[in-house]
Amino acid sequence: QTVVTQEPSFSVSPGGTVTLTCGLSSDSVSASHYPSWYQQTPGQAPRTLIYSTNIRSSGVPDRFSGSILGNKAALTITGAQADDESDYHCVLYMGSGIWVFGGGTKLTVL
Amino acid sequence: QVQLQESGPGLVKPSETLSLTCTVSGDSISNYYWAWIRQPPGKGLEWIGWIYYRGNTNYNPSLKSRVTISVDTPKSQFSLKLSSVTAADTAVYYCARFAAVAGPNWFDSWGQGTLVTVSS
Repeated sequence: QTVVTQEPSFSVSPGGTVTLTCGLSSDSVSASHYPSWYQQTPGQAPRTLIYSTNIRSSGVPDRFSGSILGNKAALTITGAQADDESDYHCVLYMGSGIWVFGGGTKLTVL
Repeated sequence: QVQLQESGPGLVKPSETLSLTCTVSGDSISNYYWAWIRQPPGKGLEWIGWIYYRGNTNYNPSLKSRVTISVDTPKSQFSLKLSSVTAADTAVYYCARFAAVAGPNWFDSWGQGTLVTVSS
């Protein structure tokens, strides 16, 4: 069974830079997995941040960027702000119409 | 701007069937793929399945034996049925839209979500 891995939690100082990752238990992540990232605050629906590895969704600040780092997809926040404190979810396309989410990363800004 | 709204019972008894409907407004349901996604309390998101407006479907292998997704194009609705539910199916259920019909894809619009609790 395919498992998509994310750090359970991460912390960053205001103004700092943080990179969250999205990996596979038994493979490398590539652009063909169409990695996308979603931000979610408590009680709210997810909001699309990044799609197709590195394309920012409309209205998303340019401090958010996506990439492939080594064998994982990555979401980097440069110049973190207090309202970036959220849960971040990635999802990967596994082929044959199957999509798998990671467990999500809880980001604390302090 | 497309809007999605989930509706259905908030409480379902164990062993019964969970039924939810997603109503699409602000854009046509045609020419898109539509998805159901759920999130157990305090946990991550789980893709349940998708349906194309023409009725083609695909389901999460771990749920496939219990899931049926259908579409009613004239009503701009698509629906989820999950049978033989247990407490493990307690979750916020989201409907969402895929952005594309071919090539790279992602979820570009989400409903607000609806909490379904499985309890007697």
